[in-house]
Amino acid sequence: AQTVTQSQPEMSVQEAETVTLSCTYDTSESDYYLFWYKQPPSRQMILVIRQEAYKQQNATENRFSVNFQKAAKSFSLKISDSQLGDAAMYFCASQVSGSRLTFGEGTQLTVNP
Amino acid sequence: EAQVTQNPRYLITVTGKKLTVTCSQNMNHEYMSWYRQDPGLGLRQIYYSMNVEVTDKGDVPEGYKVSRKEKRNFPLILESPSPNQTSLYFCASSPYVRGQGGYTFGSGTRLTVV
Repeated sequence: AQTVTQSQPEMSVQEAETVTLSCTYDTSESDYYLFWYKQPPSRQMILVIRQEAYKQQNATENRFSVNFQKAAKSFSLKISDSQLGDAAMYFCASQVSGSRLTFGEGTQLTVNP
Repeated sequence: EAQVTQNPRYLITVTGKKLTVTCSQNMNHEYMSWYRQDPGLGLRQIYYSMNVEVTDKGDVPEGYKVSRKEKRNFPLILESPSPNQTSLYFCASSPYVRGQGGYTFGSGTRLTVV
């Protein structure tokens, strides 16, 4: 069974600053994926970034990057140059290949102007 | 446009009145799933389907039914809704292909049972 834990229910950041959201996971599988989803007030689930477990290189998508520590089973999300539009609930999730997504509890991010 | 469509977006119903939330995807995905989202609990899987006529329980299946008669459709049925099923529901789909991952989500259905 997979588990995902987000230990920060709430985080805040000043506009233009950098913030890191934490996530730890547990799985016995060797072939899996990790994701960060963003959920703005519209409720839509938006994929922010994904990481394949077999890849050593950390994924990046513009201002979003991850720090993937496979041995420690840690998968944090770094948001650089934070913008007001980044304010949302962020969910970390894991997926064994061809199987279901398991989500963490979520981190509510506030961006202060 | 590739998407998952779920309807309705909002629904208020009374205890015990059967209801169906529809879900349809146009990406020919094999894997479809229903989640419910509750504050502090994240998203929890209700049921999933790996292909037509193949469904299985997720983490919180009690009080729900599903069917997968066509590849594109995966409706969620609440035969006798109760107030503890008040929640935000998401349908999602994914290709069932080794080496691919990630789900496409519908826009969500806010269900209130009174």
